[in-house]
Amino acid sequence: NAGVTQTPKFRILKIGQSMTLQCTQDMNHNYMYWYRQDPGMGLKLIYYSVGAGITDKGEVPNGYNVSRSTTEDFPLRLELAAPSQTSVYFCASSFYPGADTQYFGPGTRLTVL
Amino acid sequence: KQEVTQIPAALSVPEGENLVLNCSFTDSAIYNLQWFRQDPGKGLTSLLLIQSSQREQTSGRLNASLDKSSGRSTLYIAASQPGDSATYLCAVLVNAGNMLTFGGGTRLMVKP
Repeated sequence: NAGVTQTPKFRILKIGQSMTLQCTQDMNHNYMYWYRQDPGMGLKLIYYSVGAGITDKGEVPNGYNVSRSTTEDFPLRLELAAPSQTSVYFCASSFYPGADTQYFGPGTRLTVL
Repeated sequence: KQEVTQIPAALSVPEGENLVLNCSFTDSAIYNLQWFRQDPGKGLTSLLLIQSSQREQTSGRLNASLDKSSGRSTLYIAASQPGDSATYLCAVLVNAGNMLTFGGGTRLMVKP
């Protein structure tokens, strides 16, 4: 049981490039989330999904896209990377957030130059 | 809009001290409140989850309390150890589905 895994761990992008951050969970959770954490700050929700085929925007969705074709995978797509997207990105999952905590991956540290 | 504040932003204590971390939130209509631990360069680990109908939760040397009406929670750490050094984040779930709103965290250092 690996929990929530994220790849890559680190990435440097040039302005205007695109990339996909991968997230996989093996706990059969319906709910999955993408957060970003800027230095010295708490986490902010980018997108979330309540099940395969269903996604919705969080607090800071601009510049990102997501898809959820399977229960296990929830990739985050960055189009036209900008320096403001330099951050640490965390993926999380939960069974039912009202009763259960969220389980976090180790994060992806992204720098846009 | 829900806002979560944690004070202090950083705290340094000698080993063995009992300490309290504070969390406040602006909207009392929360579903639950959670405390997380984050080690440098790592993800978050859940410590305690308090449902809105509960007043406190305990796990080992950790005790978290919740006062919804005043919009406050505290995390009490007894007999602190150097291994407790980490950033502690509180977060509130505004509704059953979806969005955790996080505070900025308290960075704790416990000196041997």
